[in-house]
Amino acid sequence: NAGVTQTPKFRVLKTGQSMTLLCAQDMNHEYMYWYRQDPGMGLRLIHYSVGEGTTAKGEVPDGYNVSRLKKQNFLLGLESAAPSQTSVYFCASRRTGGNQPQHFGDGTRLSIL
Amino acid sequence: GDSVTQMEGPVTLSEEAFLTINCTYTATGYPSLFWYVQYPGEGLQLLLKATKADDKGSNKGFEATYRKETTSFHLEKGSVQVSDSAVYFCALSGEMGDYKLSFGAGTTVTVRA
Repeated sequence: NAGVTQTPKFRVLKTGQSMTLLCAQDMNHEYMYWYRQDPGMGLRLIHYSVGEGTTAKGEVPDGYNVSRLKKQNFLLGLESAAPSQTSVYFCASRRTGGNQPQHFGDGTRLSIL
Repeated sequence: GDSVTQMEGPVTLSEEAFLTINCTYTATGYPSLFWYVQYPGEGLQLLLKATKADDKGSNKGFEATYRKETTSFHLEKGSVQVSDSAVYFCALSGEMGDYKLSFGAGTTVTVRA
């Protein structure tokens, strides 16, 4: 009963390096989301997808790219990491239809030095 | 745009005390409202939800009532336990088909034995 799985759980990068965060869900959900969590700011939406092959910008998309080539996977990329991207990243998914909750992964803690 | 304002913490209580966390929102139409809980080192879990005016969501002794006239969704629990120590987030999902969540900043609750 995996639900939403995020890989990796922790990562330390140097400024300018690139990396990809992977989110996988096994619930056949149509919608997937990437958030970042920073102290005192709650969760802010980075990018989201309403179905396989689609992506859209959220509240704070700059510096990130995403892809949804397969329904179950949603990848978040940092092309050139910056210290301002140090954060905890959460992926979520939900099924189609109103009033459904989002299901969250356990997060990826990312530090950019 | 949609936004959520919740009571700032941290909140420290003794076991069996009454807990209230205030949450107010700004949104057009009839959003769905949620409370999520985040235990240390974990992702967010849905605590309860309400989808229309005057609905009461409840779970694990927590309750919140959707008050459209005051645009509020305050969280309450009559007798807290040490295990309720966590960060609580109020969130709303607007009427748009992308079902994006807007989160409050989160309230850290610590319950002492």
